[in-house]
Amino acid sequence: GQNIDQPTEMTATEGAIVQINCTYQTSGFNGLFWYQQHAGEAPTFLSYNVLDGLEEKGRFSSFLSRSKGYSYLLLKELQMKDSASYLCAVMDSNYQLIWGAGTKLIIKP
Amino acid sequence: GAVVSQHPSWVICKSGTSVKIECRSLDFQATTMFWYRQFPKQSLMLMATSNEGSKATYEQGVEKDKFLINHASLTLSTLTVTSAHPEDSSFYICSARQPVADTGELFFGEGSRLTVL
Repeated sequence: GQNIDQPTEMTATEGAIVQINCTYQTSGFNGLFWYQQHAGEAPTFLSYNVLDGLEEKGRFSSFLSRSKGYSYLLLKELQMKDSASYLCAVMDSNYQLIWGAGTKLIIKP
Repeated sequence: GAVVSQHPSWVICKSGTSVKIECRSLDFQATTMFWYRQFPKQSLMLMATSNEGSKATYEQGVEKDKFLINHASLTLSTLTVTSAHPEDSSFYICSARQPVADTGELFFGEGSRLTVL
């Protein structure tokens, strides 16, 4: 079956760095997405990785290793507004998105 | 960038009535749109894939007669919750994907919060 695993909840301190991991097993692979979702709002796009390596975009970076079925989202210089759920999603061979359950990130002052 | 607009954002209705939610892709043509449902503190649950000009593909456990999906044009898909009941109260989100030849990025509507009294 298809499966996306990510931690349920993480806590970090304002100004620090946090890494959210995502492992996947899917039928084919056409890219991995990270989305941010604040409570009561729709998800917003953060990153898309289809090749191995690190993609950096401001304070957020996303890494992919296709051979390991592994990705992480790295958030630097954490701000209180970064408190949200972070969703990992993989596009399979049929271009269907398989969603992880999301990681709730709690930022403390 | 590409934008997906969803309407209405909030809707409250009486039990037994039907509610229609619209999802529009504003600056690109979306042959495929997706409808999700999200309960509090849970992840997105794909309900159905809406295909322009053909019948929607429903996920297992989703009643197609209760959640009617129409994708009449390349920029509009509608979800109608028929004979709504309090257990249908949820956050409904649509999304559309740019053509695969582009980034294939998925864009979400703002979501529609349905409360059935």
